[in-house]
Amino acid sequence: SQQGEEDPQALSIQEGENATMNCSYKTSINNLQWYRQNSGRGLVHLILIRSNEREKHSGRLRVTLDTSKKSSSLLITASRAADTASYFCATVESNDYKLSFGAGTTVTVRA
Amino acid sequence: EAQVTQNPRYLITVTGKKLTVTCSQNMNHEYMSWYRQDPGLGLRQIYYSMNVEVTDKGDVPEGYKVSRKEKRNFPLILESPSPNQTSLYFCASSPNGGLAELLHFGNGTRLTVT
Repeated sequence: SQQGEEDPQALSIQEGENATMNCSYKTSINNLQWYRQNSGRGLVHLILIRSNEREKHSGRLRVTLDTSKKSSSLLITASRAADTASYFCATVESNDYKLSFGAGTTVTVRA
Repeated sequence: EAQVTQNPRYLITVTGKKLTVTCSQNMNHEYMSWYRQDPGLGLRQIYYSMNVEVTDKGDVPEGYKVSRKEKRNFPLILESPSPNQTSLYFCASSPNGGLAELLHFGNGTRLTVT
């Protein structure tokens, strides 16, 4: 079953702007992961945040996690054309360690 | 180069004709998994394996079989494909045994069943 839901479904921004997307989930989690998918290709893992962490950074990426609201956000700062992709959140549930993906946010960065 | 290799990349077949999609990883990962991706539905897990000879159903296992006889290989078998199995399939592996973390994905297999 689909655990995470990304919002918005699609996002179009100008190069240099920041892009923010959100993920909400339903059950208690062990960790939450963000992945990027370029058109038709395999997913690439970006960042993993554990349930006892609130914020993580990796280069131009910033991820936050609010377990009380069961939500996470992914911020891409100073976006580039190469950031054009679909972004997925995925959660590992606490009880059965299953990994479930959301439907994704499609980000288009205009030059 | 560390990678997950799926074959074939593209496959067109007819209803009922058995097929196998191969998946191999060279990273000595214990955890491997198969997903299908359909528009608007994200990735849904078909089967996963936490180690050799250990396989478990994911969310959409009907119509699929897998085997894990060796650590590196995790083939996906469709005994009698049907048109509703037309999809983009991904194999993935994880370095963290028992936990699906930081998955490494193959490049996908686009399957069309007519």
